[in-house]
Amino acid sequence: AQKITQTQPGMFVQEKEAVTLDCTYDTSDPSYGLFWYKQPSSGEMIFLIYQGSYDQQNATEGRYSLNFQKARKSANLVISASQLGDSAMYFCAMREFGNEKLTFGTGTRLTIIP
Amino acid sequence: NAGVTQTPKFQVLKTGQSMTLQCAQDMNHEYMSWYRQDPGMGLRLIHYSVGAGITDQGEVPNGYNVSRSTTEDFPLRLLSAAPSQTSVYFCASSLTTGLNEKLFFGSGTQLSVL
Repeated sequence: AQKITQTQPGMFVQEKEAVTLDCTYDTSDPSYGLFWYKQPSSGEMIFLIYQGSYDQQNATEGRYSLNFQKARKSANLVISASQLGDSAMYFCAMREFGNEKLTFGTGTRLTIIP
Repeated sequence: NAGVTQTPKFQVLKTGQSMTLQCAQDMNHEYMSWYRQDPGMGLRLIHYSVGAGITDQGEVPNGYNVSRSTTEDFPLRLLSAAPSQTSVYFCASSLTTGLNEKLFFGSGTQLSVL
């Protein structure tokens, strides 16, 4: 069964520094997809980035990149040059091939300090 | 561009009352789902649907009913509200259930059961 673990309940990072949010997953299926979502204080869920298990390269979207280490079953989100607007809750999620369900982790609350 | 529309945004119920959370999407998405978000527990799947007339249970279905009579609408019914159902509820949809299909979320409903 698919499972997502986010071990950092909260993080504080200085503005303009890079930050890495950890995500590990558990699955026996070789085909799966990994997602990161951002939830600002306003409450909406914003899709950030996607990584497929067979993708040869790590996914990147602007300041967001995904450090995908398949053997370690980790999919850490890296935010470069953090900004005050990056303060939010961040969720990692995964879906196995043939499974309609998207399973979420418990989230990490990121606070950017000016 | 409506996307996923959830109503109401806020609701207070007394124990034992019933209510329906409405969800509609205008993107012709096959897949629709309901999640609840509780502190420290991330987003947990309640029910989902892969098309009109088809629904299935997620991780925490007890106390909730759903139906999918049209592609656009996926209401969530609480038949007899309990304080344990106090939560933030999100409706989400995607075009298909493909591996790389991201979920589009509604703005959420904050429900309090007294």
